[in-house]
Amino acid sequence: NAGVMQNPRHLVRRRGQEARLRCSPMKGHSHVYWYRQLPEEGLKFMVYLQKENIIDESGMPKERFSAEFPKEGPSILRIQQVVRGDSAAYFCASSEAGSSYEQYFGPGTRLTVT
Amino acid sequence: QKEVEQNSGPLSVPEGAIASLNCTYSDRGSQSFFWYRQYSGKSPELIMSIYSNGDKEDGRFTAQLNKASQYVSLLIRDSQPSDSATYLCAVWGGSQGNLIFGKGTKLSVKP
Repeated sequence: NAGVMQNPRHLVRRRGQEARLRCSPMKGHSHVYWYRQLPEEGLKFMVYLQKENIIDESGMPKERFSAEFPKEGPSILRIQQVVRGDSAAYFCASSEAGSSYEQYFGPGTRLTVT
Repeated sequence: QKEVEQNSGPLSVPEGAIASLNCTYSDRGSQSFFWYRQYSGKSPELIMSIYSNGDKEDGRFTAQLNKASQYVSLLIRDSQPSDSATYLCAVWGGSQGNLIFGKGTKLSVKP
């Protein structure tokens, strides 16, 4: 399967725990984007990464959230000390070139904070 | 603040009819425009991209772009019940900007 892969598909965390979400881009794609979708709301951009570089993190909350895309391995979105308001669907997308190009989405990770 | 506006719907059309979905955007410098389909509980699926004024056709789908009016639309011909989904309009504003999504229009195609 050459599509964007995300895992886990569902993640349950208690308040105060850490959530770690993984994304492997489509084959041949080197640009990765993370989005968050709250129920009944639109997709909100969080961060744009290339290998070993954060290109734009203007949509990331200033605290508790971080993202990386190492030279080897998947991109990681990390949420520390989760709160109930972090419960959402987190989608990763990838593109062959920059953000003006077509982005293809993975299946998403549904995070539930109890 | 760059915005993308869509009528939330629901838009209900009978099977076989043409469904027309509309989107307006605030940034006059926007250069790339995309339509995504999202079924309930699933991830967005890219169905059309358009970059220049005019029409672009792909099967039953036609995207229309009018940059002067800051307006982009999606027409679905011969609508099928399987087309029932939320349709998201996304706009890329240029110069390191990021995709901005509208909240989507929910389409219901009645058999």
